[in-house]
Amino acid sequence: DTGVSQNPRHKITKRGQNVTFRCDPISEHNRLYWYRQTLGQGPEFLTYFQNEAQLEKSRLLSDRFSAERPKGSFSTLEIQRTEQGDSAMYLCASSSPPQRGQEQFFGPGTRLTVL
Amino acid sequence: AQTVTQSQPEMSVQEAETVTLSCTYDTSESDYYLFWYKQPPSRQMILVIRQEAYKQQNATENRFSVNFQKAAKSFSLKISDSQLGDAAMYFCAHGGATNKLIFGTGTLLAVQP
Repeated sequence: DTGVSQNPRHKITKRGQNVTFRCDPISEHNRLYWYRQTLGQGPEFLTYFQNEAQLEKSRLLSDRFSAERPKGSFSTLEIQRTEQGDSAMYLCASSSPPQRGQEQFFGPGTRLTVL
Repeated sequence: AQTVTQSQPEMSVQEAETVTLSCTYDTSESDYYLFWYKQPPSRQMILVIRQEAYKQQNATENRFSVNFQKAAKSFSLKISDSQLGDAAMYFCAHGGATNKLIFGTGTLLAVQP
């Protein structure tokens, strides 16, 4: 097991373009989380999945953001019509059952720069 | 709503010395967990230590230990015998019923040789 992986590691895009990030969790982990981290801040929760079900979305997740986990394995996070304020590190994490208090294993993140 | 506050943006410690990083939190939940995560430069976040709120005994992991004061809503991290590899950003985090994590703003720890 190689841990949580995220692709791409870096993405530079122009304002108004759409971008999609992928997260592959640890194989037996049924819960997957997305966080956003801006410079000098701690990660902020965006959304999470249990298997293929999206159970919670933060108010930070505007309607330009959509996340999926179609088969309960990998997940994608899409940002439509990107804005400069979307520039951040997008982190994915996964955890195994039982969920409460379980360690979340983080991926290396995807750094998005919107020009 | 849960909040986590780290009031020390930066800390410095001499190699082999002890340092304490502070964290306070606020929560409406009765059953929760607290975590310290380490984020080395350009590397991914890893768990340092975890504390169950219902346990009175402070968690320890080798050179890392916590001072959990539930009534004061305080959760500090003590690093003993500091090593150069301990240099990183440290985040305090709260995990509740859904286990989504609420993070503080972090403390950047420098270790001086």
